[in-house]
Amino acid sequence: AQSVSQHNHHVILSEAASLELGCNYSYGGTVNLFWYVQYPGQHLQLLLKYFSGDPLVKGIKGFEAEFIKSKFSFNLRKPSVQWSDTAEYFCAVNAARDDKIIFGKGTRLHILP
Amino acid sequence: EAQVTQNPRYLITVTGKKLTVTCSQNMNHEYMSWYRQDPGLGLRQIYYSMNVEVTDKGDVPEGYKVSRKEKRNFPLILESPSPNQTSLYFCASSSGGGPSTNEKLFFGSGTQLSVL
Repeated sequence: AQSVSQHNHHVILSEAASLELGCNYSYGGTVNLFWYVQYPGQHLQLLLKYFSGDPLVKGIKGFEAEFIKSKFSFNLRKPSVQWSDTAEYFCAVNAARDDKIIFGKGTRLHILP
Repeated sequence: EAQVTQNPRYLITVTGKKLTVTCSQNMNHEYMSWYRQDPGLGLRQIYYSMNVEVTDKGDVPEGYKVSRKEKRNFPLILESPSPNQTSLYFCASSSGGGPSTNEKLFFGSGTQLSVL
């Protein structure tokens, strides 16, 4: 069965710091990978996704993620965070040919102004 | 405006009293799904539907029912709610085959349910 692990439950950074949020999944086959973000009081929205091709994926608001197949990882990065990036971030995995999607437990990111 | 609409936004009920949370999308999406969000547990998929009259269980289907009689609507039914179903619920929809075809999910604004 698929599973997703997000290493950090709560991250606190100052503005302009660099960000990396870890995500590992357990599934040996082809996967679709997603990062969703939930701003305070809002619903989830897609940041970026990976299906195939270039393992470095660029998303909205300056976020990017790198798929490393050998490490079963899909870490989210941003070179310089802003206060407005304060939110909860969810990694999600779908095994290709399976209709389910599995979300990680989320990482709460708090940016200090 | 393309959107997923859930109602109600907040709901307080008592144990055993049947309730329905509605979900409607105006994007002609084939794929629809329900999730519950609990602190420390993230989002867990309850049920999903690939198209009209096609539904399947997610990871936590116990205590829930769904139906997909029309493409745009995907109600979540709790026949006999219990306190452990107190949670924040999200409906989502997606075009095509949903996540398995790398399509993104469009989420509703959520329904905060409290079962006393």
